[in-house]
Amino acid sequence: GQNIDQPTEMTATEGAIVQINCTYQTSGFNGLFWYQQHAGEAPTFLSYNVLDGLEEKGRFSSFLSRSKGYSYLLLKELQMKDSASYLCAVTDSNYQLIWGAGTKLIIKP
Amino acid sequence: DTAVSQTPKYLVTQMGNDKSIKCEQNLGHDTMYWYKQDSKKFLKIMFSYNNKELIINETVPNRFSPKSPDKAHLNLHINSLELGDSAVYFCASSPGGEVEKLFFGSGTQLSVL
Repeated sequence: GQNIDQPTEMTATEGAIVQINCTYQTSGFNGLFWYQQHAGEAPTFLSYNVLDGLEEKGRFSSFLSRSKGYSYLLLKELQMKDSASYLCAVTDSNYQLIWGAGTKLIIKP
Repeated sequence: DTAVSQTPKYLVTQMGNDKSIKCEQNLGHDTMYWYKQDSKKFLKIMFSYNNKELIINETVPNRFSPKSPDKAHLNLHINSLELGDSAVYFCASSPGGEVEKLFFGSGTQLSVL
């Protein structure tokens, strides 16, 4: 079966750094996405990795290791507005998106 | 100007009723989708249409019937609503099935009582 695993919840302090991990087992791989979803709102696109390595975009970076079926999202200089759920999703061999359940990130002052 | 808009945002109804959720996108995308996000926050695809034609139909009860009058609209009609249908339903669109350019609507929270 297809499976995406990520922690249910994480807590971090404003100004700090947090790493959210995602492991996946899918039938084929055509890219991995990270989305941010604030409570009661739609998911919004953060990053897309298709090759191994680190992609940096401002305070957010995303890493992919295809051989390990592993990705992480790194958030630096955390702000209160970063409190949200972070969803990992993988496109399989049929280009269908398989979603993780999301990691709820709580930022404390 | 909203890219993907869906209405209503909240829908509270009784078991057994029939209801519809409307979705429109003004991005010129060819492909539109309906996703269901359950209480455990998993997003599951229900349907996908490309240029008004059904291309993905996951294992969804036939009480759910999508309708695409044109490529900018994909509505979802649900018959005989059940308690388990309570969830947030998201409409989304992408150009030509390119899921890396997926845009979501703001969601419709359906509560079946």
